[in-house]
Amino acid sequence: EVQLVESGGGLVKPGGSLRLSCAASGFNFSNYNMNWVRQAPGKGLEWVSAISSSGYIYYSDSVKGRFTVSRDNADNSMFLHMNSLRDDDTAIYYCARDPWVAAHFFDFWGQGTLVTVSS
Amino acid sequence: ETVLTQSPATLSLSPGERATLSCRASQSVGIYLAWYQQKPGQAPRLLIYDASNRATGIPARFSGSGSGTDFTLTISSLEPEDFAVYYCQQRDNWPPKDTFGQGTKLEIK
Repeated sequence: EVQLVESGGGLVKPGGSLRLSCAASGFNFSNYNMNWVRQAPGKGLEWVSAISSSGYIYYSDSVKGRFTVSRDNADNSMFLHMNSLRDDDTAIYYCARDPWVAAHFFDFWGQGTLVTVSS
Repeated sequence: ETVLTQSPATLSLSPGERATLSCRASQSVGIYLAWYQQKPGQAPRLLIYDASNRATGIPARFSGSGSGTDFTLTISSLEPEDFAVYYCQQRDNWPPKDTFGQGTKLEIK
């Protein structure tokens, strides 16, 4: 069974940093492109970042230069290092999987971890 | 950047009725559009991919259609568990970037 479990969320002050983790199981993690998608309270979905199986990395304009995505295939994990956090980064952060190379959608999502940026 | 616009923002229907949700893209996305369902406190769930393919385990009452810039999600006969928020999503080829519509809330009338 495919499982994605996010962790690392919490309360952080503006300007602070946080590292999120996504632990994957039930599939050969190293073969899959992975993503972070966030959802501010009461709002819609916003794609944040993607990392391909071969290590190519992409960011949305809203986080470029502040967030860094990485993965550890040996540990079946993906990470999101978030720096210079702002109030508008407050959201539930989901990790999500691309089902195959050249797919244009996400087939499995984790349950999310809440990041709150507030003084 | 491709912008997705969903309509209506809210749809009020009764169980057993037919629901038609729309998603319009600012430029052609071919057939590469997906639909997700999200219930309160839950992660989104994939319903439809590549415009018209039902994801694994999705009931046949859900169907998707369209290509280019205009897409439709149809729920043929609403069940109580179908009342939720629905999002469409597409991915730009280069640079790879995903965008979502703003969502349609399907509520019980």
